[in-house]
Amino acid sequence: GQQVMQIPQYQHVQEGEDFTTYCNSSTTLSNIQWYKQRPGGHPVFLIQLVKSGEVKKQKRLTFQFGEAKKNSSLHITATQTTDVGTYFCARGSNYKLTFGKGTLLTVNP
Amino acid sequence: GAGVSQTPSNKVTEKGKYVELRCDPISGHTALYWYRQSLGQGPEFLIYFQGTGAADDSGLPNDRFFAVRPEGSVSTLKIQRTERGDSAVYLCASSLDGGAWETQYFGPGTRLLVL
Repeated sequence: GQQVMQIPQYQHVQEGEDFTTYCNSSTTLSNIQWYKQRPGGHPVFLIQLVKSGEVKKQKRLTFQFGEAKKNSSLHITATQTTDVGTYFCARGSNYKLTFGKGTLLTVNP
Repeated sequence: GAGVSQTPSNKVTEKGKYVELRCDPISGHTALYWYRQSLGQGPEFLIYFQGTGAADDSGLPNDRFFAVRPEGSVSTLKIQRTERGDSAVYLCASSLDGGAWETQYFGPGTRLLVL
């Protein structure tokens, strides 16, 4: 199937440290979306990337789409306790989203 | 405005029983999706409605699962003869009209536990 692989599965950081999660696909992605799910919550849309090499920023979050459109990354600068949660990438194919397994981020205050 | 709502928030049932899970999408959204999320996994697509019709039900795991959206708004996911493996969080999402790359807005989910 057209899966997306995410690494790492878990990441524990000290507050103030940076964090990066990676999303990889064996096939070209038409677009990649990122979602955040707080513990006990539901996925919340963060961003969508469409163009090769695209970089988008949201405050301390930086999202990148690879030149070959087969990988993407989410980088958080100077993590805060509010960043705790699972970050999912999802490939979009028309209406259908195929999610990765996510990266669970925990932050030690 | 109000987001996607789902009821019940939690459902405990016994193996073999029938359950119904309800989703109320954002007003005006014609596209509605059901996903299932098992522990430690990302959401998995089940079915997509455009209006009243199921445009894609390829994600339904077997014929025990069925969903309807009779008036193009509220949707009900129905599971017959529940099995312990059906235990998961069932998420509903909606989007404006199902166009390519639209943002999907998720509801809080129904946590189903089959004993």
